[in-house]
Amino acid sequence: EIVLTQSPGTLSLSPGERATLSCRASQSVSSSYLAWYQQKPGQAPRLLIYGASSRATGIPDRFSGSGSGTDFTLTISRLEPEDFAVYYCQQYGSSPYVTFGQGTKLEIK
Amino acid sequence: QVQLVQSGAEVKKPGASVKVSCKVSGYTLTELSMHWVRQAPGKGLEWMGGFDPEDGETIYAQKFQGRVTMTEDTSTDTAYMELSSLRSEDTAVYYCATDNGIPHNYFDYWGQGTLVTVSS
Repeated sequence: EIVLTQSPGTLSLSPGERATLSCRASQSVSSSYLAWYQQKPGQAPRLLIYGASSRATGIPDRFSGSGSGTDFTLTISRLEPEDFAVYYCQQYGSSPYVTFGQGTKLEIK
Repeated sequence: QVQLVQSGAEVKKPGASVKVSCKVSGYTLTELSMHWVRQAPGKGLEWMGGFDPEDGETIYAQKFQGRVTMTEDTSTDTAYMELSSLRSEDTAVYYCATDNGIPHNYFDYWGQGTLVTVSS
């Protein structure tokens, strides 16, 4: 099983700042099959990024994903108030089995 | 556009079983690959299993093997997840999640979640 480790656990930033979230895999994720989700309290997760760098439908271009192999990054270029949430990475390279990271909480400083 | 509507909250005693439903609209269930993900209170997301379109079978995470059964009623476009031998650690919100009709194992659409509470 591929284990995903996200860092940091909590990130405290102000609106307008740049956020960089990391997701590291215990082994290489084939074909960059890595997705990112955003979850707000009391809501279901929302797909942001798939294939490591492709934005899902309707996702603003301030969200971008990068990386390959074992190291992946989600960047939010300029934080809006609605971006403060918990973010999860998910690998689907060992299809059909999938695993999630433990999450990074992005909070307002 | 896919919509997933789940059944309501449940309270169960330890040792009992629970069956959660997920009604699909906008697509037919046969066009989608349905998965189930759970989230314990204050914790992260945990994949339980789902449909593998490559071999046409449902596969389960090893942790839940023998305790979980995922089924589908294509006549009503409703998916079900049944978890047996419940224990307190199974208290969680259970989500159904699926693709957009193009088979892939990331999740474009999610149900609203069903809270299952296991308590004596």
